[in-house]
Amino acid sequence: EDKVVQSPLSLVVHEGDTVTLNCSYEVTNFRSLLWYKQEKKAPTFLFMLTSSGIEKKSGRLSSILDKKELFSILNITATQTGDSAIYLCAVEARETSYDKVIFGPGTSLSVIP
Amino acid sequence: DGGITQSPKYLFRKEGQNVTLSCEQNLNHDAMYWYRQDPGQGLRLIYYSQIVNDFQKGDIAEGYSVSREKKESFPLTVTSAQKNPTAFYLCASSIDGWNEQFFGPGTRLTVL
Repeated sequence: EDKVVQSPLSLVVHEGDTVTLNCSYEVTNFRSLLWYKQEKKAPTFLFMLTSSGIEKKSGRLSSILDKKELFSILNITATQTGDSAIYLCAVEARETSYDKVIFGPGTSLSVIP
Repeated sequence: DGGITQSPKYLFRKEGQNVTLSCEQNLNHDAMYWYRQDPGQGLRLIYYSQIVNDFQKGDIAEGYSVSREKKESFPLTVTSAQKNPTAFYLCASSIDGWNEQFFGPGTRLTVL
C-alpha cells in the first residue's frame, strides 16, 4: 500500500530557530515529491522534487530528495511567526492508467516569539 | 470502470475568450480539485470543492471560476481575466479531505 509518513507531527520552536521537517514514502512508480504549506484553508505549493540530491531553495526554505532512501527534508532557517502552519508532503505516483497524489499527515509547526 | 475523465484533451482558444474545461468522476467521491501545472513546477491548486454546492479558492484562483452543482461534475472556466492561461490543467477527486487524490488525464489549453 502506498504511503507517505511525516515527522514530527507537531513542533514548537522559537523565532530564529532552524527546523527540519521529514517526509518518507513508499510508493510504486514514483514521479515526484511535493511540499505544501497549509495555513487556514488550501495548501500553497512550495517545492516539487524529482531528482535526488538537488536542493531546491526559496528564501529561507530549502528542500532535498533522496530517492535511494525514499525521503525528503524541508529546512526552514531563521524561523518567523509567519512560518506557523501545517507543512504537507505529497508524493505523485503513477497507477496503471492514472496518476494519484498521496498526502502525508502533515507537520504542524508553531513558531513562538 | 470507475474513474475520472476530463475533456477535451487539447483545447485551443483565442485570447479574450472564456473557455470551460470538463471534469467528471464516477467514483462517488465528495471532494474534487482543479490544479494547474506549468513546466518545471508542481501542481498548483486553483479551486477545490469538498461537497456539492460548495467550493473554495486555492493558490491561484484569480481569472478562474467553478461550479459544483452535481457530485460527479466540477467544471472549470478559464476567463479572459486570467493573464497566462496556457497550461496543463488537471482535475482530481478524493473520498474526502486531502489524503489520496485520483487524477484525470488532463487538458492542455493553448491560448493563441
